[in-house]
This record gives sequence, structure tokens and C-alpha cells, in this order.
Amino acid sequence: DIQMTQSPSSLSASVGDRVTITCRPSQSMNNYLNWYQHKPGKAPNLLIYSASSLQSGVPSRFSASRSGTDFILTISNLQPEDSATYYCQQSYNTPLTFGGGTKVEIK
Amino acid sequence: HLQQSGPGLLKPSQTLSLTCTISGDSVSSNSGAWNWIRQSPSRGLEWLGRTYYRSKWYYDYAESLKSRITINPDTSNNQFSLQLNSVIPEDTAVYYCARGSSFDVWGQGTLVTVSS
Repeated sequence: DIQMTQSPSSLSASVGDRVTITCRPSQSMNNYLNWYQHKPGKAPNLLIYSASSLQSGVPSRFSASRSGTDFILTISNLQPEDSATYYCQQSYNTPLTFGGGTKVEIK
Repeated sequence: HLQQSGPGLLKPSQTLSLTCTISGDSVSSNSGAWNWIRQSPSRGLEWLGRTYYRSKWYYDYAESLKSRITINPDTSNNQFSLQLNSVIPEDTAVYYCARGSSFDVWGQGTLVTVSS
């Protein structure tokens, strides 16, 4: 199984800040990496697929990239509605696995 | 759009049964995949399994659940279902159905509580 290690587990930032979340897989998996936003009481929402492609309807302040073995989600110009937990997920092989999540709090 | 249905309260040893009704797509699509995922405080987001059609039906399951889980397509009603046998309290979670390998469409979620 591919283990997904996400960091940090939580962060607190101010409106307008730029935040980054990192996801490191336990083995090579090309760019089969997706990012989700999850708010309490709602289903997770796909933000980014295939490592860096923005899902339709997602604000452009969300972006993602790959640096070596690490995958990075960036939220630029943080907004109050971005308060949520963010997860990475690999779709390279089964079992499909998720990172442990990063809780983003707005100061 | 995915619409989930099924009971939310079970006793230990009972069978969990949930259904996900698809609109705007087909369970028999040659490019789709239909998943069940759950979330609990202790396990985070956990993929349970999927079914998909590529000239025949395929099924993938999480290894830890293989002895207890069945996912079935229902082409007549454009649905797919989850059956989890012999539930235990640790199966308490919010259960979701979702489409694809990058889960672009989700059901609304069903809180399933296992308690005596």
C-alpha cells in the first residue's frame, strides 16, 4: 500500500496569507495525486487532480505542484471560507489512500 | 449527482447496507468507477472499495475488509450498493459514495452508528 504522509497536521494563518501543505508518498506514483477540501457536515470537495490540474469551479487561489517526491498544495490570498481540513489522495493503485489531513484555521 | 440511502443505526453483528443512486452518469459507463469511502475520527478518510465496468464488471476492495464487504452494481436502477457484514463499533463512521479515481462527485454522506 502507498502511505501518504501529510504535513503539517494543522496550521493557523491570517486572511490574505499564503499557505502550503505537503504530501509525501511512500513510493513513486507519477502524478496520480489529488487534493480535497473537507468542511464539517459536508462531503469532501475535489480541488486539484493529477497533481496540478485545477478542478472546474475551484477558485484560482488554489494551486498545486510537485517538487521531487513531494506534492504541494498552495492557497494564496487565504480567505475565511478556506477554513477546512485538506487531504491528499493517491489514485495510482489500489488501495486508494489518503493523507492524514491538514486542518487550516483562520486567525 | 449521487444520492445515498440506507439506515444509520445498527447493532453489532448486523449487516450495513447502503445504496448510491446515480444521476447524470451511468453505473455501466466504460470510463467510470464507483467507490465507497468512510471517515471516522480514528481512521480518517478510508477507501473501502469500488466497482467498474470495462466490458465486464471488476471489483476492488480494501484488504482489511475483504472478508466482510460486497459492492454491487444495479444497472436496472442505475445504482450501486455497499454491504458490510458483521459490523462492529469500530465501523461507526460517515460513509460516502464517490465517482472516479479522483473523486470528483460525492454523495451527501450517511452517518452509520454501530452500538448495542
